[in-house]
Amino acid sequence: SAVISQKPSRDICQRGTSLTIQCQVDSQVTMMFWYRQQPGQSLTLIATANQGSEATYESGFVIDKFPISRPNLTFSTLTVSNMSPEDSSIYLCSATIGGRVSGANVLTFGAGSRLTVL
Amino acid sequence: AQSVTQLDSHVSVSEGTPVLLRCNYSSSYSPSLFWYVQHPNKGLQLLLKYTSAATLVKGINGFEAEFKKSETSFHLTKPSAHMSDAAEYFCVVSDMDSNYQLIWGAGTKLIIKP
Repeated sequence: SAVISQKPSRDICQRGTSLTIQCQVDSQVTMMFWYRQQPGQSLTLIATANQGSEATYESGFVIDKFPISRPNLTFSTLTVSNMSPEDSSIYLCSATIGGRVSGANVLTFGAGSRLTVL
Repeated sequence: AQSVTQLDSHVSVSEGTPVLLRCNYSSSYSPSLFWYVQHPNKGLQLLLKYTSAATLVKGINGFEAEFKKSETSFHLTKPSAHMSDAAEYFCVVSDMDSNYQLIWGAGTKLIIKP
């Protein structure tokens, strides 16, 4: 089955810096998504990464803070900009490797990138 | 608007005993329902999915879930818990009302006692 690789797996960052997370899928996929999982909480969708165009952001997330790239059907990056301790989270890349069933996306996830901001 | 409620934040069972993780949802349409599992320091893995076919859905690792429309529930069960089942479990709903975006429950942490 298809595999999603994320890097870095974890990092400790200083306040005010930016970090880019990479997501590589070993097969072409239609849709890729970025999620945030804050400590002890569930998943929140940040945005849908669109191939060749600007990402589609959910309410509460903006491009200046979380710029996303998706240059092709297998790769995407998420940058967390001007970080603060509130950005300490696990960031998860996912893709519709399982396709869609009854309209719903069946997602496969990467292992996540655990960021700690000091 | 649809929502998902996982009724227990933590469930603790002894190894070899049955597991029940409860999930209730609200949906205006015929929903798709999922259970995902997240092991420590690992990514999320799809356990099983319901998409308007059989109401009893079998998943991986011996888990199954039953869709009960009258009770708006999709509880996850396993007859006999194993130590390797210790993880966080998420119930997820999707339907037309959310434009098929996934709505995630808060998660239930399953603890297995030896």
